[in-house]
Amino acid sequence: NAGVTQTPKFQVLKTGQSMTLQCAQDMNHEYMSWYRQDPGMGLRLIHYSVGAGITDQGEVPNGYNVSRSTTEDFPLRLLSAAPSQTSVYFCASRRTGSLANYGYTFGSGTRLTVV
Amino acid sequence: DQQVKQNSPSLSVQEGRISILNCDYTNSMFDYFLWYKKYPAEGPTFLISISSIKDKNEDGRFTVFLNKSAKHLSLHIVPSQPGDSAVYFCAASSSYNTDKLIFGTGTRLQVFP
Repeated sequence: NAGVTQTPKFQVLKTGQSMTLQCAQDMNHEYMSWYRQDPGMGLRLIHYSVGAGITDQGEVPNGYNVSRSTTEDFPLRLLSAAPSQTSVYFCASRRTGSLANYGYTFGSGTRLTVV
Repeated sequence: DQQVKQNSPSLSVQEGRISILNCDYTNSMFDYFLWYKKYPAEGPTFLISISSIKDKNEDGRFTVFLNKSAKHLSLHIVPSQPGDSAVYFCAASSSYNTDKLIFGTGTRLQVFP
């Protein structure tokens, strides 16, 4: 049981490049989310999904795309990287049931630098 | 517009004493409140939560208090241990959009011997 796995752990991109951050969970969790963490800003929700085929926008969705074709995977795509997207990205998942009971399980993060 | 605020960026507490971390929110529609703990280079870890129908929830050394009229919650850690040194985030969401979880900016707790 690996939990929430994020790849890669580190990435450097040039401005304008595109890439996909991978997130996979093996806990059969229905709910998945992507956050970014910036200094002094806490964690901000980018996109989330309440099940396969269903996604919605969070607080800061611009410049990112997501899709959820399977329960296990929730990739985050950067369409055209910008220096403002330099951040640490976290993927999280939770099981069905009350958020108050189970919370979200987070991956260990991807540190992205856009130059 | 910061809907969830942690106004103390850092807190230093002696081992064995009580640590109190505070969180304020502005959205009266929030129904679920969670605390997460984060060590450097790791993802946040779920610690404890409370729903708006309660005003207190305990789990071992951790207790969360909710004051809905003041839109304020606090996390009490008793007794504090050096391993509790981490960044603590509070987060909130509403029952009509449970998974749109909004985080505060975090409080760095240092527990010294």
